Amino acid sequence: DSGVTQTPKHLITATGQRVTLRCSPRSGDLSVYWYQQSLDQGLQFLIQYYNGEERAKGNILERFSAQQFPDLHSELNLSSLELGDSALYFCASSVGVNLRYTEAFFGQGTRLTVV
Amino acid sequence: ELKVEQNPLFLSMQEGKNYTIYCNYSTTSDRLYWYRQDPGKSLESLFVLLSNGAVKQEGRLMASLDTKARLSTLHITAAVHDLSATYFCAVDDGYGNKLVFGAGTILRVKS
Repeated sequence: DSGVTQTPKHLITATGQRVTLRCSPRSGDLSVYWYQQSLDQGLQFLIQYYNGEERAKGNILERFSAQQFPDLHSELNLSSLELGDSALYFCASSVGVNLRYTEAFFGQGTRLTVV
Repeated sequence: ELKVEQNPLFLSMQEGKNYTIYCNYSTTSDRLYWYRQDPGKSLESLFVLLSNGAVKQEGRLMASLDTKARLSTLHITAAVHDLSATYFCAVDDGYGNKLVFGAGTILRVKS
């Protein structure tokens, strides 16, 4: 157990809907990262937050948004869902802001299925 | 753009055999990670290699890093069925903002 908690573990929803994925980082970790894992794209970085502020953005669609709250948990919001959004979404956390000097630990993931 | 290439992408091994997975990357990063993933599960950290020449071993797995060649290897010794999984290498993007992953190597160990 990495100490990173993601909820829910599984989510099935219809196209066009909106969902929210939640991540609680390890105690003491200030950075949160979101990744998407799909069969065709592999593991893709979406976005990073550090202590409530957006730090880096990857290949995140405009229909997706995220935030990190004062208690450091993070939420990833996915809207106008399409079949192609079906994937495993991982959250990771680290103590520091720079991955050159700090290690990231991954949660169990949320399996999103869009039908 | 940073590229991380793993090969092979699929590896079918007999129990008891040895093999090596290769990870090439295109940045000057000196920190490289190896992860294991079982189907539908999380990424389990296997090794963090922090400097040129670093070698780490855990059980039947040994990882090494050559930053000059931008190459890491994951060597499997006397494979057993329990090692069947997908193995990923990852490096930071050079700025420390994100990890860039290889495509993964699907390992199947046959008895």
